[in-house]
Amino acid sequence: DIQMTQSPSTLSASVGDRVIITCRASQSISGYLAWYQQKPGKAPSLLIYRASNLQSGVPSRFRGSESGTDFTLTISSLQPDDFATYYCQQYSSSPYTFGQGTRLEIK
Amino acid sequence: QVQLQQWGAGLLKPSETLSLTCRVHGESFSGYYWTWVRQSPGKGLEWIGEINGGGITIYNPSLRSRLSISIDTATSTNQFSLRLSSVTAADTGVYYCARGGPSLNAWGQGTLVTVSS
Repeated sequence: DIQMTQSPSTLSASVGDRVIITCRASQSISGYLAWYQQKPGKAPSLLIYRASNLQSGVPSRFRGSESGTDFTLTISSLQPDDFATYYCQQYSSSPYTFGQGTRLEIK
Repeated sequence: QVQLQQWGAGLLKPSETLSLTCRVHGESFSGYYWTWVRQSPGKGLEWIGEINGGGITIYNPSLRSRLSISIDTATSTNQFSLRLSSVTAADTGVYYCARGGPSLNAWGQGTLVTVSS
């Protein structure tokens, strides 16, 4: 199985901050990576697909990028609605594994 | 706009079979991968498996021996099902159905399944 290592596991930030969440794949996944946002008691919601493509309806302050097997999710200016847990997922090779999540909390 | 509505038994005893169904509203089955994902405190999000509109399945090898995902052809509605046999406490969690393309761009509301004697 491809391992997805996400960091940090918890991130404290303030409204207006720029934050970066990283995800490293244990082998090449050719950019087949998605980012999801999950709020308590809700299903995850797709933010980014194919490493850098913004899902329809997602604010442009969310950006995904790729460098080899390293992937980043950047939120350019945190809004109150952005405090949630974020997951990456590779869908290059079955089983399509998730990172362990990054909880973004208010500082 | 696609909507996924899921249901099934929420409390099971060890060794019983977990059975969940997901109905798809506003979308045809073809062209997508209809997926099950579960979430437990100990293991985070886990991809269970998927089925495409043609009935081709891909299962997580860790669950394959106990798992079945199928399209319900007996009804005229678009729905697919998950069956996981011989459940244990380790199968406790919230189960989601989702539409894959293959990134998961639409999700059901989730069903909490608890396995307890």
